[in-house]
Amino acid sequence: AQRVTQPEKLLSVFKGAPVELKCNYSYSGSPELFWYVQYSRQRLQLLLRHISRESIKGFTADLNKGETSFHLKKPFAQEEDSAMYYCALKDSGGSNYKLTFGKGTLLTVNP
Amino acid sequence: GAVVSQHPSWVICKSGTSVKIECRSLDFQATTMFWYRQFPKQSLMLMATSNEGSKATYEQGVEKDKFLINHASLTLSTLTVTSAHPEDSSFYICSARDLGGRVDEQFFGPGTRLTVL
Repeated sequence: AQRVTQPEKLLSVFKGAPVELKCNYSYSGSPELFWYVQYSRQRLQLLLRHISRESIKGFTADLNKGETSFHLKKPFAQEEDSAMYYCALKDSGGSNYKLTFGKGTLLTVNP
Repeated sequence: GAVVSQHPSWVICKSGTSVKIECRSLDFQATTMFWYRQFPKQSLMLMATSNEGSKATYEQGVEKDKFLINHASLTLSTLTVTSAHPEDSSFYICSARDLGGRVDEQFFGPGTRLTVL
């Protein structure tokens, strides 16, 4: 069964510091991974997906199949980055685009 | 961009009553919608996949007679919590899959807070 693990429930950094949110996955097929973000009092929204290999709001994430990881990184955190971050894995075996979410990491960027 | 709405945003009901939650895709057609449940400080747990014009597919452990899903049109899916009990109190979130966009993406609603007294 597929599983997504985010080992840190809480992560606190100071503004300008680098930040890394960890995500590990377990999946037998070829994974498709995503990072979603939920700002305070807002809905869940897609931040980035690994197949796009893009940088959104300064965040990047690289899929490491050897380590089964998809960590989210940003070199210089900003206060507006404070939010809940979820790593998610798409079940590519089905046709319905099912997502399995990790438990999330609450990032707090302090001034 | 693609917008998904949910109604109501919050509801309080008495134990034993039924509650219907609506999920609408406002500016796109969604053949597939998803219903999630989120407990406080926990992740989203997929409850079921709702396909337009066919029966929903429920995840293991989710009672289909308890959580009735209807996806009668390309823009509306409903979740009815039947004979609700306090343990059904939770945050219910829907999402809709936009196949017509530039990329295949799932868009999320704002959620519905259900409290069963």
